[in-house]
Amino acid sequence: KQEVTQIPAALSVPEGENLVLNCSFTDSAIYNLQWFRQDPGKGLTSLLLIQSSQREQTSGRLNASLDKSSGRSTLYIAASQPGDSATYLCAVVNYGGSQGNLIFGKGTKLSVKP
Amino acid sequence: GAGVSQSPSNKVTEKGKDVELRCDPISGHTALYWYRQSLGQGLEFLIYFQGNSAPDKSGLPSDRFSAERTGGSVSTLTIQRTQQEDSAVYLCASSFYDYQNSPLHFGNGTRLTVT
Repeated sequence: KQEVTQIPAALSVPEGENLVLNCSFTDSAIYNLQWFRQDPGKGLTSLLLIQSSQREQTSGRLNASLDKSSGRSTLYIAASQPGDSATYLCAVVNYGGSQGNLIFGKGTKLSVKP
Repeated sequence: GAGVSQSPSNKVTEKGKDVELRCDPISGHTALYWYRQSLGQGLEFLIYFQGNSAPDKSGLPSDRFSAERTGGSVSTLTIQRTQQEDSAVYLCASSFYDYQNSPLHFGNGTRLTVT
């Protein structure tokens, strides 16, 4: 059974710092991996989607990497800002599973202090 | 353009009552998903619709839960005889069919409280 783990559960950093969020998964047979952010009381916003054949994706100050063989992904945030404060979730879909059945980690709650 | 719209945003109901939650996906998205997010828990998959194919209902927690999608667009999630453990935020998402390249777009959710 696929399990997705995110460490740490919470992280507090001063503004301007570069930081890395971690996501690990137990079954490497995945279609893709997605990173989302969730603001309090809101739904999820898609940040980056990495296909199983890709190693990384970049969008602005965000860079996500994928190492399928080791079952790991990282989300790198450069020059963090208070507006980056949110909960970040990663999710995967297994080969052989329903395309709708994203399996989520429990998230990392990020706080960026001014 | 408009995003995924869910209504109501909040719903308080008495134990034993039935509730209906509505989701309007992004126009042109053929895939629609329902998830549940409980306090302290991760997101839990409920049901997935893709075009005219039979839905994947494997995540529905009991036969009190059902969902339909009319005309390939709007979806309704129905919970019958609600229980206190049904209290959660119910999130709907939609995407294009090209699943490997198309990220999910989520609505803001319906917060359900069963008293």
